[in-house]
Amino acid sequence: GNSVTQMEGPVTLSEEAFLTINCTYTATGYPSLFWYVQYPGEGLQLLLKATKADDKGSNKGFEATYRKETTSFHLEKGSVQVSDSAVYFCALSTTGGSYIPTFGRGTSLIVHP
Amino acid sequence: DVKVTQSSRYLVKRTGEKVFLECVQDMDHENMFWYRQDPGLGLRLIYFSYDVKMKEKGDIPEGYSVSREKKERFSLILESASTNQTSMYLCASTRTGGEGTDTQYFGPGTRLTVL
Repeated sequence: GNSVTQMEGPVTLSEEAFLTINCTYTATGYPSLFWYVQYPGEGLQLLLKATKADDKGSNKGFEATYRKETTSFHLEKGSVQVSDSAVYFCALSTTGGSYIPTFGRGTSLIVHP
Repeated sequence: DVKVTQSSRYLVKRTGEKVFLECVQDMDHENMFWYRQDPGLGLRLIYFSYDVKMKEKGDIPEGYSVSREKKERFSLILESASTNQTSMYLCASTRTGGEGTDTQYFGPGTRLTVL
């Protein structure tokens, strides 16, 4: 079956530091890969996605590249802000059926001023 | 923008009560989902529905039921609430076919406490 493994948190950084949150996956077929973000007290929202190998998703300064050879989709940002403090979820979905996603367990990011 | 709303942000119920959680989406999406979110466990799928009156069990359906009488509304029902159902409940929807089919749109969540 499908699975997503992401690094455990919390990840604690100072403002303007470089961020990496690791995500690896196992899947049958050719999945689409996602990062969702959950700000305090809110539901999840899509941050970025990539649908095929070597695609790079980007949004709000965050980037992730679909690496089929290493089955990874690591999230990066060059300079984090306090407002980036949130929980980040890596996810995948495979084509066919109802596109039910498989989520990782989430990584909490805390950014200090 | 897709909007998914949930009937309550916070809910406190007693053990044994029947609890209804309502979710409404305004973008004519075919698919709707109920998850629960617990610390360290991530999101777990309870039920999903791909059409009116259709439902499928997810990973943890025990103790829950659902109802989808109209396309825009998907209800989660706790027949007899128990303390181990204290959790954050998230509703989501997706469309079928076309661009963005695989993107989930989430509501703000309902934090349910069962005493």
